[in-house]
Amino acid sequence: EAGVTQFPSHSVIEKGQTVTLRCDPISGHDNLYWYRRVMGKEIKFLLHFVKESKQDESGMPNNRFLAERTGGTYSTLKVQPAELEDSGVYFCASSRTDLYEQYFGPGTRLTVT
Amino acid sequence: AQTVTQSQPEMSVQEAETVTLSCTYDTSESDYYLFWYKQPPSRQMILVIRQEAYKQQNATENRFSVNFQKAAKSFSLKISDSQLGDAAMYFCAYRSFVGGTSYGKLTFGQGTILTVHP
Repeated sequence: EAGVTQFPSHSVIEKGQTVTLRCDPISGHDNLYWYRRVMGKEIKFLLHFVKESKQDESGMPNNRFLAERTGGTYSTLKVQPAELEDSGVYFCASSRTDLYEQYFGPGTRLTVT
Repeated sequence: AQTVTQSQPEMSVQEAETVTLSCTYDTSESDYYLFWYKQPPSRQMILVIRQEAYKQQNATENRFSVNFQKAAKSFSLKISDSQLGDAAMYFCAYRSFVGGTSYGKLTFGQGTILTVHP
């Protein structure tokens, strides 16, 4: 069974540009989560999808961040326009139900210069 | 809001010895889950062990065990017979379970880097 995959593994963009991160969950996992770790701080929750619906988006920092999960399969997280403080590692995780273990992807390291 | 604190930014242990990583949390909820996740260098984060708050018995997974003290809101991880492959960043995490509903989001601590010396 393939694990959670994320693309790209690393992205370097300039302030003001747009970046789109992608997450492919484990097949059959209805729950998909986005987290990020900024500047060596703790990993923070961004949002939670159940299939294509946003179950909880309480962690989204502001309206520069847009997450989608069309068709309930892969998800994208767009940052537009990117700011310096958006630099960090963005993790995606998936689980079969919200009671089950979350399987994490390798993360996307975003650097905004 | 719940908070999770890992007060040890770094720990080290000799191979084959035992090490304990500390974690405390703050919550007003009575039901919840606690987890330890491990992230080896340049690899994905994986679940090490999980504890349901309603269970008094401490969880154990092979060489990994926890000391769950609900009243003290403490959840430490003990690694016995440490191996080189245990070297990683370890994260303590909390997940709510309120009114029979599990809230999927995890609240993480800051992480502890564990170094294992041969």
